Amino acid sequence: NAGVTQTPKFRILKIGQSMTLQCTQDMNHNYMYWYRQDPGMGLKLIYYSVGAGITDKGEVPNGYNVSRSTTEDFPLRLELAAPSQTSVYFCASSDRGASGNTIYFGEGSWLTVV
Amino acid sequence: GNSVTQMEGPVTLSEEAFLTINCTYTATGYPSLFWYVQYPGEGLQLLLKATKADDKGSNKGFEATYRKETTSFHLEKGSVQVSDSAVYFCALGPRNTGNQFYFGTGTSLTVIP
Repeated sequence: NAGVTQTPKFRILKIGQSMTLQCTQDMNHNYMYWYRQDPGMGLKLIYYSVGAGITDKGEVPNGYNVSRSTTEDFPLRLELAAPSQTSVYFCASSDRGASGNTIYFGEGSWLTVV
Repeated sequence: GNSVTQMEGPVTLSEEAFLTINCTYTATGYPSLFWYVQYPGEGLQLLLKATKADDKGSNKGFEATYRKETTSFHLEKGSVQVSDSAVYFCALGPRNTGNQFYFGTGTSLTVIP
C-alpha cells in the first residue's frame, strides 16, 4: 500500500542549480499539494492541483513550478536554487469521498541549498 | 477566511500524565477537522478526524470532539507514553467544496519517563 511516494529523500544543491522533486500517488486522488516546512515551523502551501492539467499557486509559490500531466504525478521544479529554499518538502494528496476529505502525506524530501 | 490556531509548545509531560492540546478554528461553511502527528524525521500521519459538529474522532487513546459552538477541536489523551513524543498539527479541510487544507503551526510534545 504505497500511498504518496516522494523522491529523493535527501538532496544538497548548490546555489543556482535546478532540480525536480518527484511525487506520485496510487490512490487515484484528484487533489495534490506541495508544502514546505521550515525548521520548527508549520506547513506552507506552495502549489496545488485539483486534477490533471490544472494547477494553482498556494501561499509561497515564488521560485517553484509544477505540472500535472497525469492524475498520479505532481512534480515540483526548483529553478535557480537559493538558500531560502532550504527546507523539508512534503507532497500530499486528498480524496473527496462521502466520509469527508482527508489529506495524505509523503515522507518528505530534505533539501539543503549551499 | 479559514484559519487554525493551536496551542504553542513545547509541551513536556511525565509518562501517564493527562494531555490536552488546544485547537480553535475559523471557517466559512462546514469544514472537516483533523489532527495529524509527525514523528521525528517523518511525514505527517493522520491521527484522527471529525467531519461534522459533535462528532468525536479517536485513535490510539487520543480523542477530539468537533465543537461548533466554541469552534474548537482540542486533542486529549488520558495517559501519555514516551512513544507519543512528536509534533501534533491541527488542521481544517473542505468537506464538500473548496480545495485547501489549513494547518496550525504544530505543538511539540515530549514525554519523559
